[in-house]
Amino acid sequence: EPEVTQTPSHQVTQMGQEVILRCVPISNHLYFYWYRQILGQKVEFLVSFYNNEISEKSEIFDDQFSVERPDGSNFTLKIRSTKLEDSAMYFCASSPRTGTSGNTIYFGEGSWLTVV
Amino acid sequence: EDQVTQSPEALRLQEGESSSLNCSYTVSGLRGLFWYRQDPGKGPEFLFTLYSAGEEKEKERLKATLTKKESFLHITAPKPEDSATYLCAVIRGGSQGNLIFGKGTKLSVKP
Repeated sequence: EPEVTQTPSHQVTQMGQEVILRCVPISNHLYFYWYRQILGQKVEFLVSFYNNEISEKSEIFDDQFSVERPDGSNFTLKIRSTKLEDSAMYFCASSPRTGTSGNTIYFGEGSWLTVV
Repeated sequence: EDQVTQSPEALRLQEGESSSLNCSYTVSGLRGLFWYRQDPGKGPEFLFTLYSAGEEKEKERLKATLTKKESFLHITAPKPEDSATYLCAVIRGGSQGNLIFGKGTKLSVKP
């Protein structure tokens, strides 16, 4: 069964350093997303991406975050200058068509980011 | 403000003891309600999407139902392998993939 794959599974970084999290969405999907889950808290939406541009973002997704689809298969989340509060599990997700109409969104296994 | 509330926070069942999990929501123009299963340290695994009040979906021992204000996930004769956190999420009209999640119900099924 096709799945969303993410790398790395775990990364430890110093506060202030840049981090790039990578994802390979399901191959025929057109919408891509990043979510995060701080330990013990809800899963939170960060950003959705379609046709090489951001289609929606949350208040969490400020100027220190950026997303990119550098080629036909990868989708990345960059955090420019990490803070302690960025420590969380980051989930990449994708859906086959539009992100509206309740279309099913499939999640990857996550990248656990620890900022020290 | 859009909101999803799940209850109970935790549920302990004996194997074979059926029960239901609740998801109450307030959202502007519901476009879909999702149920996911999440194992510790893993990503949410899709279970069901419900679109309109009265809709029901089943998969093995799980059955999801939807009303205008809440959804139920019914678990019939659960097994230990059903132990996980069950997440409910909604998406509102006009949103481009912004799923609003509840905190989840942590289910433990003892043999």
